[in-house]
Amino acid sequence: GQNIDQPTEMTATEGAIVQINCTYQTSGFNGLFWYQQHAGEAPTFLSYNVLDGLEEKGRFSSFLSRSKGYSYLLLKELQMKDSASYLCAPGYSTLTFGKGTMLLVSP
Amino acid sequence: EPEVTQTPSHQVTQMGQEVILRCVPISNHLYFYWYRQILGQKVEFLVSFYNNEISEKSEIFDDQFSVERPDGSNFTLKIRSTKLEDSAMYFCASSEQRSPLHFGNGTRLTVT
Repeated sequence: GQNIDQPTEMTATEGAIVQINCTYQTSGFNGLFWYQQHAGEAPTFLSYNVLDGLEEKGRFSSFLSRSKGYSYLLLKELQMKDSASYLCAPGYSTLTFGKGTMLLVSP
Repeated sequence: EPEVTQTPSHQVTQMGQEVILRCVPISNHLYFYWYRQILGQKVEFLVSFYNNEISEKSEIFDDQFSVERPDGSNFTLKIRSTKLEDSAMYFCASSEQRSPLHFGNGTRLTVT
């Protein structure tokens, strides 16, 4: 199986910046997705990296290093509504989800 | 914006019964998927479907499960002889090639 490692939980305050790291097995890899999942809801797509480097999309950015099997999701200007689980999902022949990082944003 | 729709939103069934979960993928998407998420656990891949056949399936997707695209719009997951441990949220998703998956809102299956 694919080994996807990301922190279980993180906490941050409103307005802050938080970085969620993810490492993954590199064999058969063809791109990395980040999804957001609020409790009881479906995952929603945030970002996709297929090449090394940083992809910026508003308050969210995602970085990829394929040689290191490493990605991170950067969330800026945190808002209360950003409290959710963030799922690192390397694309192999199918999209495989990690256990997710539960982010709690406090006032 | 087009979206994936799933019905029902909640299904309660007795152990041993068969259930069919229904999905309408986004109309121009060609790849279809079923995932499940047991409460408190990660989203797990079940099966992918392309060109009217299964393209990949996980160890979870055993003979108890089957998928079908009965017409041009629906994509169904059938679970035969449900077990207590089948209780989970089942998500349907669709995508274009090498593109993000778009998920439906899920069907919460409760097996009693």
